[in-house]
Amino acid sequence: ILNVEQSPQSLHVQEGDSTNFTCSFPSSNFYALHWYRWETAKSPEALFVMTLNGDEKKKGRISATLNTKEGYSYLYIKGSQPEDSATYLCALNYGGSQGNLIFGKGTKLSVKP
Amino acid sequence: DTAVSQTPKYLVTQMGNDKSIKCEQNLGHDTMYWYKQDSKKFLKIMFSYNNKELIINETVPNRFSPKSPDKAHLNLHINSLELGDSAVYFCASSQLNRRSSGNTIYFGEGSWLTVV
Repeated sequence: ILNVEQSPQSLHVQEGDSTNFTCSFPSSNFYALHWYRWETAKSPEALFVMTLNGDEKKKGRISATLNTKEGYSYLYIKGSQPEDSATYLCALNYGGSQGNLIFGKGTKLSVKP
Repeated sequence: DTAVSQTPKYLVTQMGNDKSIKCEQNLGHDTMYWYKQDSKKFLKIMFSYNNKELIINETVPNRFSPKSPDKAHLNLHINSLELGDSAVYFCASSQLNRRSSGNTIYFGEGSWLTVV
């Protein structure tokens, strides 16, 4: 059974703090790693799709890195803002089919003004 | 415009009923999916359709059936609803690219189904 683990489960930071979360996955079945930002009652919003070992991607204050050999990805948020409060999900595409993603439980981020 | 839209957003129904959740995407994608958020809050794939062909069918009860009238729609039909079917169901779509494994999957806002 393939498992995707995310840590921490939840995180409370002050506005302006920088933070990061971890996504761990089995390195033997890797095709792509997806990061999503998800606010309750809204659509999960795609942040990054990463496919190559060593990939680094950036979108505004959010960036992500990927290590497929050791099976982890980090998501970084620089200078957190209250609007960054959301659950951040990572999902592994293990190659069965491109849409068959194995999701982690997410890291719930709360940013206090 | 909402890229992936699903209706209804909230549905409360009695055990034994048959219900449908509709999904439409206006992105021109050729592949659509249904995911279920389970009791442990994981999102899990149920079905996907590519050009009207089922390409994933995970171990879901056969009371659940996807129906795709055209490339832009993938509806989820559920027969003889049970209490355990209460969950949030998400529709999604992507453009299948056989030369790349890194295609973005776009999700709807979810449909909250409560079976009483």
